[in-house]
Amino acid sequence: QQQVKQSPQSLIVQKGGISIINCAYENTAFDYFPWYQQFPGKGPALLIAIRPDVSEKKEGRFTISFNKSAKQFSLHIMDSQPGDSATYFCAARGGGDMRFGAGTRLTVKP
Amino acid sequence: DAGITQSPRHKVTETGTPVTLRCHQTENHRYMYWYRQDPGHGLRLIHYSYGVKDTDKGEVSDGYSVSRSKTEDFLLTLESATSSQTSVYFCAISRGLAGVETQYFGPGTRLLVL
Repeated sequence: QQQVKQSPQSLIVQKGGISIINCAYENTAFDYFPWYQQFPGKGPALLIAIRPDVSEKKEGRFTISFNKSAKQFSLHIMDSQPGDSATYFCAARGGGDMRFGAGTRLTVKP
Repeated sequence: DAGITQSPRHKVTETGTPVTLRCHQTENHRYMYWYRQDPGHGLRLIHYSYGVKDTDKGEVSDGYSVSRSKTEDFLLTLESATSSQTSVYFCAISRGLAGVETQYFGPGTRLLVL
């Protein structure tokens, strides 16, 4: 039973466009929601994270939107660039337990 | 870079053989984790450690054991490897960032069980 559901599985966006990846969770005890970026052959790297007491967090071109009542959160990548092509994972932490979504492979076409 | 190294980076082995993967950290973090990554499943926790000789099971611990005899090293052992354990294995540490503990990952070990 996957506690964090991520969509879409894959996403193709034109350079300069907006990439949107969505996640939904079930466990209301989750208290921290990070996003990770992974390039081929590398480990996942922390990209941006949010706590449930805020509805939005922005860092450069990356924004997390958080809807606590709907138990959903999303990653928006503005002005997407070919260098953003990677796999993105959402995650949710409750206590010491971190649960990950299945991942979204993003391709940004030049 | 959280000062994490994993060895070996690649390994091919045969079904039924024992395999040990090593995670080494240089920053004296208390918490260490082993995950496996498979297509369609994201990352799933195998075991974790909260101190020397202190370990606990994760979501997919069957067929795996771990040991931590010193702070800097966390070993993952497949006692008798099976083809279903073909995967990419990631070690992680937990580090505080702005008052929140979050996880940082090593480069991974790609394991193929024939």
